[in-house]
This record gives sequence, C-alpha cells and structure tokens, in this order.
Amino acid sequence: GQSLEQPSEVTAVEGAIVQINCTYQTSGFYGLSWYQQHDGGAPTFLSYNALDGLEETGRFSSFLSRSDSYGYLLLQELQMKDSASYFCAVNRGNTPLVFGKGTRLSVIA
Amino acid sequence: NAGVTQTPKFQVLKTGQSMTLQCAQDMNHEYMSWYRQDPGMGLRLIHYSVGAGITDQGEVPNGYNVSRSTTEDFPLRLLSAAPSQTSVYFCASSYSQGITGELFFGEGSRLTVL
Repeated sequence: GQSLEQPSEVTAVEGAIVQINCTYQTSGFYGLSWYQQHDGGAPTFLSYNALDGLEETGRFSSFLSRSDSYGYLLLQELQMKDSASYFCAVNRGNTPLVFGKGTRLSVIA
Repeated sequence: NAGVTQTPKFQVLKTGQSMTLQCAQDMNHEYMSWYRQDPGMGLRLIHYSVGAGITDQGEVPNGYNVSRSTTEDFPLRLLSAAPSQTSVYFCASSYSQGITGELFFGEGSRLTVL
C-alpha cells in the first residue's frame, strides 16, 4: 500500500517563511505533487518534483529527497491569502495520485 | 475554455434515492477521476478512467458506479444513497498526470444524504 504523512495544522506569521513536510511510503514512485485548497474551493496544482532537489515557482518552492522518501513545500513572504489547506500527493505513473490528508495553514498578522 | 465542469454544485438526497453527478471536461484529457473529500480525510479516490470505455476502481468504490462512453464525460452514479456518502465530490482530469503530476479539478459537488 501507500501512505503519506503531513502535519495537520501549521500557524505562521504574515511575512514569514513556513515549511510543510511530507513523508511517504509507496511502491512505483514517480514524483511528488503539491496542491493548494482554499475553504470551499477546489484543489489547485502548485508544483511537482520528479527529481531530487528544489523547484522554485515565485514565493513557493518544493523539495524532494527520493532516498529519504521526503519532501516539503516552502512558502516565503507569507500573505494572508496563503491561508489554505496544502496537500502532498504521490505520483505512481499512470495510476491515480494518492493524496495526503492535508495541512491546514493559518497565516496570522 | 471551461475546464472541468461538475453539476450539480449542491444536492440533498434521502436515504435510498439514486442520482448521478455529472462531470465534463473540454481539454481532450484521456485521464479522469472522481475523489471524495471528508473532513480530516484528504481526497480519497472512488473510480478513475484512463480513456473512453476504460474504468477502474479506486480506494472507496462501494456504492458508486461510473462509465466512460466519451472522452469528455465521466458521470458518477450513486445507486442507493446512504448517509455515509454525505461528502464533497471532486472530478479531476489530466492529459499527462503520470508525467507532470498535475490534475485539473472541477469546483466540487456538495452532497448531503438525510
């Protein structure tokens, strides 16, 4: 089977940096995706790591270590609008993504 | 470009009733899937399809049926609704999920079963 672990809640101050970790156990690993979901909304794709290392997209970065079965999402210069749930998801190829249970990020002033 | 369209957005059913959640995409994506989302449970896969005429079960398929007669449409049928099926349902599609890890989601269908 497969499992993903991520913290259920994280709180951070506006303007700060926050890291959301994700560890996974799975077979046939191709890569790790990250999604953002605001309350009442649909998940939206943020980033994808197929190889080890850091991928940067504006204020958001995502990191993967395949040898440690570990990844994280880094959000810089936090804004109030970043308050949302963040999901990591394992890509096993042409089979469906398997999602973690999500991390609820609260950004406070 | 509408993307992934789900209908209805809200629905209330009585136990034992049946209904179909509609999902359509206009991006010519081969891959489509249905997830349900419950508080604290993340997104759990119900059924998925890798192309017209091909469907397969996910993690929580019981009580649901799907079919894929066209590339565009992937309806989800609840055969006899139960309170445990109260949830938010998301349809998703992808052209190259296996390569890019990217799914495009509909806005969701919020179902309450009384």
